[in-house]
Amino acid sequence: EIVLTQSPEFQSVTPKEKVTITCRASRSIRTSLHWYQQRPDQSPKLLIKYASQSFSGVPSRFSGSGSGTNFTLTINSLEAEDAATYYCHQSGSLPHTFGQGTKLEIK
Amino acid sequence: QLQLQESGPGLVKPSETLSLTCTVSGGSITRSTYYWGWIRQPPGKGLEWIGSIYYSGSTYFNPSLKSRVTIFLDTSKNQVSLNLTSVTSADTAKYYCASPTEAFDMWGQGTMVTVSS
Repeated sequence: EIVLTQSPEFQSVTPKEKVTITCRASRSIRTSLHWYQQRPDQSPKLLIKYASQSFSGVPSRFSGSGSGTNFTLTINSLEAEDAATYYCHQSGSLPHTFGQGTKLEIK
Repeated sequence: QLQLQESGPGLVKPSETLSLTCTVSGGSITRSTYYWGWIRQPPGKGLEWIGSIYYSGSTYFNPSLKSRVTIFLDTSKNQVSLNLTSVTSADTAKYYCASPTEAFDMWGQGTMVTVSS
């Protein structure tokens, strides 16, 4: 099973800041890595698929990069509505696995 | 656009079988390339993949749950169904269905299931 490790697990940030969340896989998953945003009491929402493809309707301040074992989600110019928990997910090897999550708090 | 709606009993007794359905609108569950997943989230915790089924009926399960899980397509109702046998309190979670690709582009709103006597 591929283990995904996210960092940081928690971050407190101010609006307009740039945020970087990393996801490290225990072995190569090529680009089969996806990012989700989950606001409190809501379902996860896809932000980025296959490491760097922006999902339809997602604000352009969200971007993803990486391949192999190291991946990054970047949020440029953070907005208050970005307060949420962010998860990475790999579909490159069964079983599918998720990172433990990164909680973003807006100051 | 696909819309997914999970439903099922909110409370299940230990050792019983949990049965959930995901009703799909906006597209056929057997449309070519469609991939359906069930994911769960215990209260205050992260996401766990339970299993998936392709439009063709091929299934894949999390090894940690494989012996207890069944997923199938009900084409007459356009539903994707999940059965989980011999439940314990560890199965208390919000259960989501997601689709239509392996990236889980769209999610339902989820249904909370509590295992308790």
